[in-house]
Amino acid sequence: DIVMTQSPDSLAVSLGERATINCKSSQSVLHTSSNENYLAWYQQKPGQPPKLLINWASTRESGVPDRFSGSGSGTDFTLTISSLQAEDVAVYYCQQYYGIPPLFGGGTRVEIK
Amino acid sequence: EVQLVESGGGLVQPGRSLRLSCTASGFTFGEYALTWVRQAPGKGLEWVGFIRSKAYGVTAEYAASVKGRFTMSRDDSKSIAYLQMNSLKTEDTALYYCTTSKEIVVVTRSDYWGQGTLVTVSS
Repeated sequence: DIVMTQSPDSLAVSLGERATINCKSSQSVLHTSSNENYLAWYQQKPGQPPKLLINWASTRESGVPDRFSGSGSGTDFTLTISSLQAEDVAVYYCQQYYGIPPLFGGGTRVEIK
Repeated sequence: EVQLVESGGGLVQPGRSLRLSCTASGFTFGEYALTWVRQAPGKGLEWVGFIRSKAYGVTAEYAASVKGRFTMSRDDSKSIAYLQMNSLKTEDTALYYCTTSKEIVVVTRSDYWGQGTLVTVSS
C-alpha cells in the first residue's frame, strides 16, 4: 500500500498569512509515461462532505480560488494557501490515486490564529 | 449537475447486516466507477472500496478492513449503487459517502461527493 503522511496535524495562521501543508507518500505517485502525479487535495469544512480542490498535484478545480496552490512531485507534495481567509478554516486531506488502495493522509486542521 | 444521494443508514447491532444505496443523477452513471468512503466520528477519511463500470467488468476492490464482509453492486438501469454490509462491527460506525470521478479512466479519485449516510453499530 502507498501510505500518505501529512504534516502538521494542525496549524493556526493569521488572516492574510500563508498556510503550508505537507504530504508525503511512501512510494512515488508519479506516472512516468504520462508525467502526471496521481495526487489530490480535498477540503472538508465542518458538517460538510469533502470537496476536491486540486488534482494531478497542481491542477485547481474549477471555482477554487487561486490562493490555493499545489506543488511537488514523486513523493513530496505541498498545499499552500497564500493568504488565509476566514472561510478556509477546514481540515485538508491529501490522497494518492496511483495505486489501490487509494489511501488518504490523516488530515491537517487549519485554524485562524 | 452531478448529484449523489446516500440512504439506508441507521442503528444496527453488531453482527447484523445493512444495505446502503447511492442514487446518482446528472451524469451517465453506467460509464463511471463508484467509490465508497467512510468517516468515523471525529476521525479522518477511510477509503472503503469501489466498483468499476460495465466496460471494466463491474469488478470491485475493497479495503482490507471490510474485505469479505462488504459487497458492492450496481444497477445501471436505475443509476443506483449499493453497499451490502454484513457482520458489522462497532468499528464500522461512520458516515458513509458515495463518490465518483469526473474522469472515466481515473476510477479512484473522488471528484463528487454525496452528503453521506450515518451507520451506527451498537448493541
